Amino acid sequence: QKEVEQNSGPLSVPEGAIASLNCTYSDRGSQSFFWYRQYSGKSPELIMSIYSNGDKEDGRFTAQLNKASQYVSLLIRDSQPSDSATYLCAVMGTNAGKSTFGDGTTLTVKP
Amino acid sequence: NAGVTQTPKFQVLKTGQSMTLQCAQDMNHNSMYWYRQDPGMGLRLIYYSASEGTTDKGEVPNGYNVSRLNKREFSLRLESAAPSQTSVYFCASSEYRGEQYFGPGTRLTVT
Repeated sequence: QKEVEQNSGPLSVPEGAIASLNCTYSDRGSQSFFWYRQYSGKSPELIMSIYSNGDKEDGRFTAQLNKASQYVSLLIRDSQPSDSATYLCAVMGTNAGKSTFGDGTTLTVKP
Repeated sequence: NAGVTQTPKFQVLKTGQSMTLQCAQDMNHNSMYWYRQDPGMGLRLIYYSASEGTTDKGEVPNGYNVSRLNKREFSLRLESAAPSQTSVYFCASSEYRGEQYFGPGTRLTVT
């Protein structure tokens, strides 16, 4: 079992829809959770971080964390073509400072 | 404020050649990381440095060495390049909460 698993994708949604990206992790002691966006040919860019159970909203993005289920998700509301990218989930475990990344989910938003 | 810079952007090596990838950050972060990313895959940690003067192996350290020259700079050396090291290499830095900021990447081809 991988330490961090994401929907294999690719995921395609129409413009204006909600895109839902999911991630599960194996280390129960994990403390910090991140979502990065990576456009093709570019470097990853941090878009959300979440540290406690519940929802965290930032503009059109909502991160959801459920530590009991070892599950973190990212919702993108009113999806735009510019949201088309690969989204990487990262989890910082008990080894503080070191994160493990999932393989990513590629999202395409169709106009 | 340049963030994280990497040199070179592109490099082609022949099997057996050596090279050093340079990384510098101006955000006064303690932790720095080297990752490789192969097509369609997530990020795999090669080495990381939690603070100046310390380095630790990541998931895929074989064939690489690192030097944390000072708080700003973290270099990655390939002593004898192999075709399996063809990849995109990213450097990143972070503070204690684990939010990582990435450089633009180095695209390395080993023939």
